[in-house]
Amino acid sequence: DAGVIQSPRHEVTEMGQEVTLRCKPISGHDYLFWYRQTMMRGLELLIYFNNNVPIDDSGMPEDRFSAKMPNASFSTLKIQPSEPRDSAVYFCASSLIGREYEQYFGPGTRLTVT
Amino acid sequence: AQKITQTQPGMFVQEKEAVTLDCTYDTSDPSYGLFWYKQPSSGEMIFLIYQGSYDQQNATEGRYSLNFQKARKSANLVISASQLGDSAMYFCAMRDSKYGNKLVFGAGTILRVKS
Repeated sequence: DAGVIQSPRHEVTEMGQEVTLRCKPISGHDYLFWYRQTMMRGLELLIYFNNNVPIDDSGMPEDRFSAKMPNASFSTLKIQPSEPRDSAVYFCASSLIGREYEQYFGPGTRLTVT
Repeated sequence: AQKITQTQPGMFVQEKEAVTLDCTYDTSDPSYGLFWYKQPSSGEMIFLIYQGSYDQQNATEGRYSLNFQKARKSANLVISASQLGDSAMYFCAMRDSKYGNKLVFGAGTILRVKS
């Protein structure tokens, strides 16, 4: 039974480049969440979707960040242009409707922007 | 506003002993949920246990139990019979109905189990 899948696991890029992080939620889950984890700010929710529709994007730091969920099995988080302060671990999580409290996290993508 | 406070940056415990990780929360909503997650050095976030604000009994999952004291707004995690594999970062988190499904996380507590 596959869990949440994220790719790539590690990404190193130069400032100004576009970065795309990918997530495949657990099959059948209705909610998808994107989090960012840094030493300074801890874990922060960036955006979440319900049935592919963005519900709350108030955590997205600025217009350079965008997220899409074109179908129930795929989501992307894009940063354009990337900056060194975007360096963090980005987690995707999913959960079932009725069990929203039990979010299953992916392994994360460690992003380094130089 | 939501707030989750974990006052212990780091804890040590001897293998096979029990340990309590503290968590206090602040919310004005009567309907909320409290969670604990474990993050080992490999980085993944692992869901451990959940307590709903209306649950009458404290949640338990194997060696994990949640000591829920509603009046004190605390939701401490108790790990019994600690194992070396319990060494990790532990996060307390809360969700309340005003904020939908958003989880707000505490700063975390690093637990080290000594042999």
